[in-house]
Amino acid sequence: GAVVSQHPSRVICKSGTSVKIECRSLDFQATTMFWYRQFPKQSLMLMATSNEGSKATYEQGVEKDKFLINHASLTLSTLTVTSAHPEDSSFYICSSHAGSSTDTQYFGPGTRLTVL
Amino acid sequence: GDSVTQMEGPVTLSEEAFLTINCTYTATGYPSLFWYVQYPGEGLQLLLKATKADDKGSNKGFEATYRKETTSFHLEKGSVQVSDSAVYFCALLGAPGRRALTFGSGTRLQVQP
Repeated sequence: GAVVSQHPSRVICKSGTSVKIECRSLDFQATTMFWYRQFPKQSLMLMATSNEGSKATYEQGVEKDKFLINHASLTLSTLTVTSAHPEDSSFYICSSHAGSSTDTQYFGPGTRLTVL
Repeated sequence: GDSVTQMEGPVTLSEEAFLTINCTYTATGYPSLFWYVQYPGEGLQLLLKATKADDKGSNKGFEATYRKETTSFHLEKGSVQVSDSAVYFCALLGAPGRRALTFGSGTRLQVQP
């Protein structure tokens, strides 16, 4: 099946720093990617939809200035957590459809962010 | 808005036991329904799906039937194995034009030898 990778898998940073997470589609072109956040023992919550070549669409309650999304190519989307604080500590997961007509999403392995 | 409710875990079973994980949903229109599985240390993988009422999705011995009348998509397996230990997520793809999934809270399954 289609493969989506994320980097890094784990990151620990100090409060106030920025962290960039990369999401790559390895064997298909992804015009749309999704960024989810997963709290411990809770569900995945959609943060934003990343569209190649245009601005991301953020879900209600998600600060777009804090969670910067860039989708500069058909295989790469990045999520930057700016001025991170301990409450931003979470598991961040990206996903994508492999093509415009399929309803099946392929997920990256996730990135565990810990802000000290 | 769309929502998915699934039974809380963890669920602990002995090998070869019968598994049911309940999932119900709320959505407008006719959503597609999915079960995803997350093995330890890995990303979510599609387990099975159903796109219309009365469809049955199946894969690796797991089954789920799309029941519109009860708005349910319960996951079942007749005989679980230790290797089935994972977190299972029920999800739907609902509103037209919305291509992001709405997930349930996940159910952790632990199968003991």
